[in-house]
Amino acid sequence: SQQGEEDPQALSIQEGENATMNCSYKTSINNLQWYRQNSGRGLVHLILIRSNEREKHSGRLRVTLDTSKKSSSLLITASRAADTASYFCATTALYSNYQLIWGAGTKLIIKP
Amino acid sequence: DTAVSQTPKYLVTQMGNDKSIKCEQNLGHDTMYWYKQDSKKFLKIMFSYNNKELIINETVPNRFSPKSPDKAHLNLHINSLELGDSAVYFCASSQDWSVGQGPDEQFFGPGTRLTVL
Repeated sequence: SQQGEEDPQALSIQEGENATMNCSYKTSINNLQWYRQNSGRGLVHLILIRSNEREKHSGRLRVTLDTSKKSSSLLITASRAADTASYFCATTALYSNYQLIWGAGTKLIIKP
Repeated sequence: DTAVSQTPKYLVTQMGNDKSIKCEQNLGHDTMYWYKQDSKKFLKIMFSYNNKELIINETVPNRFSPKSPDKAHLNLHINSLELGDSAVYFCASSQDWSVGQGPDEQFFGPGTRLTVL
């Protein structure tokens, strides 16, 4: 069954602006991961955050995790046209035998 | 060097046929996966497999079978293809994981777009 839900489903912003995407999930998790998928391509891992962590950074990416609200956010700062892609969150949890369970993704469009 | 490769990239076939998709990883990973991505971009795990265990998503029809000749390969064989099998199929791999931890980063292949007519 689907575990994560991304919000919004689609986001269109101007180049240079910040983009924030949210992910909510239903059960306790072990870790949460964010992936990017460019059109017609496979997924690329961005960041993994564990259930005992609250925030992680990687370059222009910042991920937060709030286990009390069962939600995570991905912030991309100073967006670029190359950031145009779909972004997915995925969680691992005991109930899924620790396999990744995916959300439906947020389609991000960066306008030049 | 391609880390995870799949062949073919596109596969168009008639309903009722049997087909296979091949996957190879050169990362030395212990665990490999097959995912199905539908037209709404929703990703669903089909199988995960390592040297020790095959984990099957119980919702996957038994027409789908993974075959692993060695640790670096996990092929997907599909019997009696149906219209609803049309989707993009992704192979992925990761390092083996410790009990109670789950996989870390997964590396994905480029996908195989299957169209059943």
